[in-house]
Amino acid sequence: GENVEQHPSTLSVQEGDSAVIKCTYSDSASNYFPWYKQELGKRPQLIIDIRSNVGEKKDQRIAVTLNKTAKHFSLHITETQPEDSAVYFCAATRRGLTGGGNKLTFGTGTQLKVEL
Amino acid sequence: ETGVTQSPTHLIKTRGQQVTLRCSSQSGHNTVSWYQQALGQGPQFIFQYYREEENGRGNFPPRFSGLQFPNYSSELNVNALELDDSALYLCASSGPSGRAVETQYFGPGTRLLVL
Repeated sequence: GENVEQHPSTLSVQEGDSAVIKCTYSDSASNYFPWYKQELGKRPQLIIDIRSNVGEKKDQRIAVTLNKTAKHFSLHITETQPEDSAVYFCAATRRGLTGGGNKLTFGTGTQLKVEL
Repeated sequence: ETGVTQSPTHLIKTRGQQVTLRCSSQSGHNTVSWYQQALGQGPQFIFQYYREEENGRGNFPPRFSGLQFPNYSSELNVNALELDDSALYLCASSGPSGRAVETQYFGPGTRLLVL
């Protein structure tokens, strides 16, 4: 099955700096890679996603890059703000064989702390 | 917010008991996936329901079971509770099939504590 590794486990940056979180996946058939932000006691919230036919996607201060050959993808947050502090999870999936959907395999999470 | 709801929000049970957790999917979604998130870990896939049928299962024992109703809401049942079952249980709903991939939207979760 799919295996997703995520690094680093903790990341501390100064406000205004950039943050980068990296993930690798094992299943070359995976074709969808979402990123979720989870604040303490809250639900995972989708912040950005990328499909395998695209190499990069941006949404304001957030960007994700995908290297299918190397099987890794990264989350980039620029101009970090204190409200960016949370746990970030990467995930990978491919469409289910029966066409009903897909199961997400998550990384172990990165605790991002943005310091003033 | 995603429109996915779960109940109850918190639950305390003792070892050996049974529990039922509920999830209402987002309007228009016909697929519900259940995940277990232990403290400090990423969510782990339990199983998925699509059009009232189980559509994939993770590495969880048979005492974890579920069902999906005609309105696409879903239940997760856990029998013979063990201490290690203490976790946040998340459901996620996703849209109709036919698209290349489907985005999953999570509910707020049910926090289960087994004593």
